[in-house]
Amino acid sequence: DQQVKQNSPSLSVQEGRISILNCDYTNSMFDYFLWYKKYPAEGPTFLISISSIKDKNEDGRFTVFLNKSAKHLSLHIVPSQPGDSAVYFCAASGKGNTPLVFGKGTRLSVIA
Amino acid sequence: KAGVTQTPRYLIKTRGQQVTLSCSPISGHRSVSWYQQTPGQGLQFLFEYFSETQRNKGNFPGRFSGRQFSNSRSEMNVSTLELGDSALYLCASSLSPDGELFFGEGSRLTVL
Repeated sequence: DQQVKQNSPSLSVQEGRISILNCDYTNSMFDYFLWYKKYPAEGPTFLISISSIKDKNEDGRFTVFLNKSAKHLSLHIVPSQPGDSAVYFCAASGKGNTPLVFGKGTRLSVIA
Repeated sequence: KAGVTQTPRYLIKTRGQQVTLSCSPISGHRSVSWYQQTPGQGLQFLFEYFSETQRNKGNFPGRFSGRQFSNSRSEMNVSTLELGDSALYLCASSLSPDGELFFGEGSRLTVL
């Protein structure tokens, strides 16, 4: 049972436009959400996170939105750059002794 | 500060063999987690260790095992390898069990 779902395996966006990556979760006990970025032949690197007490967190070109009632979060990248081309993983964790649960990832291609 | 180091980076085994993968965490990090990444399933949690104790275990068969040493280095072992064990095995370390994960580049295992 996939607790964190990224329903779009891939996404292509023109350079300079907005990239929107979506993530849904089913476990209402999740209270902390993260996005990781992964280039080929490298490990995932932390990008941005959001706590369930917030509905938006912004860091430069990256903004994460959380809609708790819909159990949905999204990552916005504006403007998109070719260097943003990577696989993006959504992850979630709950309180206490619980490991991070990852989605299957979305491959973003930013076309120049 | 050196990052998370995983060895070997690439290896090829045949069905029925066993394999041991090694992970050296970032200096000072005492928590180590292991994940399996496959194209169809994303990152799936294997185990988490803190101070030589396994704190969490994912939903993998008993052929998958791990341990952590007093210097926080960790190893995972897969016995009686199956074709489906072919994957990228990622190790991540953190200062504490709830801390930010820093991933290594992974060990890519191919089972023939």
